[in-house]
Amino acid sequence: QKEVEQNSGPLSVPEGAIASLNCTYSDRVSQSFFWYRQYSGKSPELIMSIYSNGDKEDGRFTAQLNKASQYVSLLIRDSQPSDSATYLCAVKRSGGYQKVTFGTGTKLQVIP
Amino acid sequence: EPEVTQTPSHQVTQMGQEVILRCVPISNHLYFYWYRQILGQKVEFLVSFYNNEISEKSEIFDDQFSVERPDGSNFTLKIRSTKLEDSAMYFCASSDPGTGMDEQYFGPGTRLTVT
Repeated sequence: QKEVEQNSGPLSVPEGAIASLNCTYSDRVSQSFFWYRQYSGKSPELIMSIYSNGDKEDGRFTAQLNKASQYVSLLIRDSQPSDSATYLCAVKRSGGYQKVTFGTGTKLQVIP
Repeated sequence: EPEVTQTPSHQVTQMGQEVILRCVPISNHLYFYWYRQILGQKVEFLVSFYNNEISEKSEIFDDQFSVERPDGSNFTLKIRSTKLEDSAMYFCASSDPGTGMDEQYFGPGTRLTVT
């Protein structure tokens, strides 16, 4: 079983729609959960972090966490063509020295 | 806004040569990391570093790799005898334990090409 699983996509949504990205993880000890955005040839850019069960909203982005189901999701409202990128789900155990474990990413295409 | 910087942006080297990749973490951050991403694959952890010591390393981080904090601002990754399979993007990251958050911020990366 992969440590962090994501559908590779591409996920295509029309401009203005809601994009829904999902992720499951296997390490039950994980305490920190992140969504990074990665444009082609660029580095991962942190867009959301979530640490507790429930929803966390930041602008057009909402992250959802369900530790019992080992499930993390990201909703992007009012999707824009500039949102077209690969979205990386990442998890981490507590402790500053601990590694972040990444999924392979979901490629999102927002169609104008 | 503070950011992690990395040099060079692209390094081409011949197999068997030594390379040093350089990073300047965010100034008040205390934890430093190296990750790599082979083209088309996921981002993989290499090593974490705190208080001038390696905190954790992956199985990828074997004896050909080393890290150093040579001064108060730089953090380096040395690959002693490069192999073709070392060709990848190498990302430096840093985090600030003082915030109580686990967020790691990534630099722009160094593309290493081994020929």
